[in-house]
Amino acid sequence: DAKTTQPPSMDCAEGRAANLPCNHSTISGNEYVYWYRQIHSQGPQYIIHGLKNNETNEMASLIITEDRKSSTLILPHATLRDTAVYYCIVSPTDSWGKLQFGAGTQVVVTP
Amino acid sequence: GAVVSQHPSWVICKSGTSVKIECRSLDFQATTMFWYRQFPKQSLMLMATSNEGSKATYEQGVEKDKFLINHASLTLSTLTVTSAHPEDSSFYICSASPWGAASNQPQHFGDGTRLSIL
Repeated sequence: DAKTTQPPSMDCAEGRAANLPCNHSTISGNEYVYWYRQIHSQGPQYIIHGLKNNETNEMASLIITEDRKSSTLILPHATLRDTAVYYCIVSPTDSWGKLQFGAGTQVVVTP
Repeated sequence: GAVVSQHPSWVICKSGTSVKIECRSLDFQATTMFWYRQFPKQSLMLMATSNEGSKATYEQGVEKDKFLINHASLTLSTLTVTSAHPEDSSFYICSASPWGAASNQPQHFGDGTRLSIL
């Protein structure tokens, strides 16, 4: 089973911020949190990752709680092209690169 | 940077034929690549780890004689679906990373190959 829990779906208005939650209560101390998204019929696209500090890049921001049991991906200004399934993945410490995808969150951005 | 390319993007074959899918790292070398499979309306499932110069390792339940993996160079891994049947129809995706295991840097994915067996 996946080590993360995400809501199955979210709607977001174009131009507004989209906040995607993820619970990972069993995360280990040296495990990273990765976010990917998959637009229909394409391969997953890397968004951002972090260990314990908040991270920001050109695509999104990642907020990780102090106890590291949950995180939030923030898309600051959602566009229609951000409609996708978003996956929150906790990296396995003993098997690098082997990503365990859960069901993810289907985000639909509407005009 | 870190571009992963798959070929073909879409293939339709008759039942019983074998199909080869290529995964290339275009601007970096990858000693390890990963193969995933995704059925409609489902999430990605890891099939196997492709290791350059050595045998692939397969996840539980994946038939190694059915899904042949060859990683003959640092930029190319191939997945061959042998004697494909309709139940093998799926979206096959590979991933790779230019960084080693200790870096915790992310994997990058190809755009996938949609396989349809008639």
